[in-house]
Amino acid sequence: DQQVKQNSPSLSVQEGRISILNCDYTNSMFDYFLWYKKYPAEGPTFLISISSIKDKNEDGRFTVFLNKSAKHLSLHIVPSQPGDSAVYFCAASTNNNDMRFGAGTRLTVKP
Amino acid sequence: AAGVIQSPRHLIKEKRETATLKCYPIPRHDTVYWYQQGPGQDPQFLISFYEKMQSDKGSIPDRFSAQQFSDYHSELNMSSLELGDSALYFCASSFRGQVDSYTFGSGTRLTVV
Repeated sequence: DQQVKQNSPSLSVQEGRISILNCDYTNSMFDYFLWYKKYPAEGPTFLISISSIKDKNEDGRFTVFLNKSAKHLSLHIVPSQPGDSAVYFCAASTNNNDMRFGAGTRLTVKP
Repeated sequence: AAGVIQSPRHLIKEKRETATLKCYPIPRHDTVYWYQQGPGQDPQFLISFYEKMQSDKGSIPDRFSAQQFSDYHSELNMSSLELGDSALYFCASSFRGQVDSYTFGSGTRLTVV
């Protein structure tokens, strides 16, 4: 069963514009959410996270929004840069640290 | 800073052969996780170890086994390989299972022919 879903396999945006990556989850027990970024031939690297007690977490150009009632979170990148081009994975975990990943969204930022 | 080291980076095996993948966690990390990512699929959790004991088990086939050694490195042993086992195998490590400390290796790409 796919508990974490990223329904957009790819996204293309212009440099300087906003990138919005979406993620939906089904398990209401998830209480911690993370975004990972993956370049080709490398393992996923941690980008930003949010606890279920918050609805927003910001780190520089990256902001994650959490809507618990809709079981939805999103990652906003503003402004987008060509170096942001990568595959972005959404992940969710429960308090026992059991992490589930989405299928990933490939972001392409065009110069 | 030292990262999670996986070896080999690439591996080609024939059907019914065996393969062993190795993972060396970040120093002081005591928890190791194995994930399998098939082509076009999301990473699937296989198994994890904490302090050399199996801590959680996911969708790991019975043909696979894994263990964590006294130096905290882990090995994933895969027997009777099938074509469908071709995938990217990620290892991650953490300190006491803390999600914020999760660090992934670069993966081992296994191709079964």
